Formats: sequence, C-alpha cells, structure tokens
Amino acid sequence: SAVISQKPSRDICQRGTSLTIQCQVDSQVTMMFWYRQQPGQSLTLIATANQGSEATYESGFVIDKFPISRPNLTFSTLTVSNMSPEDSSIYLCSVGGWGREAFFGQGTRLTVV
Amino acid sequence: ELKVEQNPLFLSMQEGKNYTIYCNYSTTSDRLYWYRQDPGKSLESLFVLLSNGAVKQEGRLMASLDTKARLSTLHITAAVHDLSATYFCAVDMNYGGSQGNLIFGKGTKLSVKP
Repeated sequence: SAVISQKPSRDICQRGTSLTIQCQVDSQVTMMFWYRQQPGQSLTLIATANQGSEATYESGFVIDKFPISRPNLTFSTLTVSNMSPEDSSIYLCSVGGWGREAFFGQGTRLTVV
Repeated sequence: ELKVEQNPLFLSMQEGKNYTIYCNYSTTSDRLYWYRQDPGKSLESLFVLLSNGAVKQEGRLMASLDTKARLSTLHITAAVHDLSATYFCAVDMNYGGSQGNLIFGKGTKLSVKP
C-alpha cells in the first residue's frame, strides 16, 4: 500500500488569494491524481499529474485556475488560484492503478471567505 | 462518457437488518472500487473488484461485480451502528489499462439505528 501525506489538512483563505496543496507519497508512482469534493457531494477528478509532463485536466477544470506541479515521482502540488467561496471544498490527492487499490490522502479542507 | 449511478443515495437501517447498495455504470470497465467515508475524513478503501464475477467479503460487507450487466453490489449483513458512513463506488476510466483515474458515484449515506 501507499502512504500519502497531504498538507495543509485545512485552511481558511480570503477570496482572491491562492493556496498551494502538497501531496507526498512514500513510494515512486507514475501518476498522481487530484480530486475535488464539494460540500455534501461526491468526488470529481480535476487532473492527472505525470512526472515530466504537463497535467491532463478534466472537462470543467483549467490550468490557470488549478496549476499543478509534478517535479518528481513522489511529490505533487495543486494550487487553487484566485479563490472564491465556490472553491470551498475538500481537495484530495490519489495514487494507484494497474489493478491495485487507489489510495487517497487525508484531504485538504478549504474554506474561502 | 462514463457515468456511475448509485442507489439508494440515503439508507436508514435498523441494526441487525440486511440491505444492498447498487452501483451501475454506463460503459465498459474492468475496475470497480468501493470506498467508505466517515464525516470529515478521507476515503477508506474497502474493495477492489477486477473481473466479472468477482466477489469479496470483509466482515459484514460483501461486494460483487457483474461486468456484463455493468453492475456492482455492496451487501450489508446484520448491520451495526459502526457501519454508519457514506459509501462510494468508483469505476476506472481506462478499460484494459487501469491508471487510477476514477469516476465516482454520488455516494450512499448509510445510517444504522439501534
């Protein structure tokens, strides 16, 4: 199994600012994934982060709003830019695939005021 | 477009009773996951189902997969209060080459009452 450390675990931010969320994995993985869980809702995939290439974004998510870095095989960051109250959500990173379980970090609970 | 539908979305059960949560998905996939989420917590992996006819059991929970019907079930036997949580099914987007990018159902909020 993979151990995923995500930080911060929670934050309260002012609208118009940006927050960078970090995700550290205890083993090397090819792909990392970022999800958003809006209050009371299910999870939605934001993007897939490959090491050494640009992230692949899902429909409805754009790089300018959610820039992602993937500098090596154990680390990724997601930035939520120019935040508004609608960005208040839990953001989770995940690793896995090829028949193995997909593991999730503990999540970052973001509140934008 | 892959869609995942779960039902029911809300389930109130009495302790000791049995019930089944259903997960239908719209296109071919060979990777189906069940997760549990407690309030304010992240996702806990329950089951990974990788082939048609797969059945897995852990305690009072049993999951099965029918890829031909595009249906998975999560059966709860003799429910106890500790099972109260939200349960999600998720399907891998990539048939034949799982990469871990998942489409989630809306979740089933389970409440087990004494």
